[in-house]
Amino acid sequence: AQSVAQPEDQVNVAEGNPLTVKCTYSVSGNPYLFWYVQYPNRGLQFLLKYITGDNLVKGSYGFEAEFNKSQTSFHLKKPSALVSDSALYFCAVRDGADYKLSFGAGTTVTVRA
Amino acid sequence: NAGVTQTPKFQVLKTGQSMTLQCAQDMNHNSMYWYRQDPGMGLRLIYYSASEGTTDKGEVPNGYNVSRLNKREFSLRLESAAPSQTSVYFCASSFREISGANVLTFGAGSRLTVL
Repeated sequence: AQSVAQPEDQVNVAEGNPLTVKCTYSVSGNPYLFWYVQYPNRGLQFLLKYITGDNLVKGSYGFEAEFNKSQTSFHLKKPSALVSDSALYFCAVRDGADYKLSFGAGTTVTVRA
Repeated sequence: NAGVTQTPKFQVLKTGQSMTLQCAQDMNHNSMYWYRQDPGMGLRLIYYSASEGTTDKGEVPNGYNVSRLNKREFSLRLESAAPSQTSVYFCASSFREISGANVLTFGAGSRLTVL
C-alpha cells in the first residue's frame, strides 16, 4: 500500500520569505513523487516530480523539492515566496510498478504582502 | 489545446437520482482517472483506466461505475446518488513516460451536490 502525509493543514509566510511545504510518504517499492498545485476553483496543475537521480528537483514557478530517502520525505520549497503562490498544494506518490497515484490531504499556503 | 474537458461543471441531484459525468481528453493519453476531492481528505481515486478497454477500482469505488468509451472518453456514472457523494469530481489523463513516470493532466472539475 502507498500513502502520503502532509502534516500541516496551513502554512503562512510573508512575501519574500522562504516557503516550505512538508510531505512524507510510504511505498513498498521505489517511489515516484509529485507535487501539484490547485488555485481556487481550478483543477490541479503539475509542479514537479522525482523519479530517480539528483535528490533536488526543480519545477515550475521557481519551486524545488528535495527527496530524502532515509526520512521518506519530499518537501516542497521556494526561496522567496510571492503573494501569487497562495494556493492549495498536494503531494502525491506512486509505487514504481503501479498506475495509481495517491494524494495527501493538501496544504493551504497563504503568502501575505 | 483543450486538454481534459469535463461536463457538467455543476449539478444538483436528489437522493436516488442517477447521472453521468463525462470526460474527454485530446492529448492521445492512454490512461484516464476519476478522483473525488473532499475537504481535508485530498483527492481519492474512484476508478482508473490504464489503457483503452480496461478499468480498475481505486480507493473509493462503491456507488460508482465507469465506462472507457474509447481512447478519448472516460465517463463516471452514479446509479443512485447519495448525499455522501456530494463532492468535487476531477477527471485526469496521463501517458507513461520512458522514465516510468506518468504526469496527470486534470480537468477543471465537476461540483456535484446531492440533496
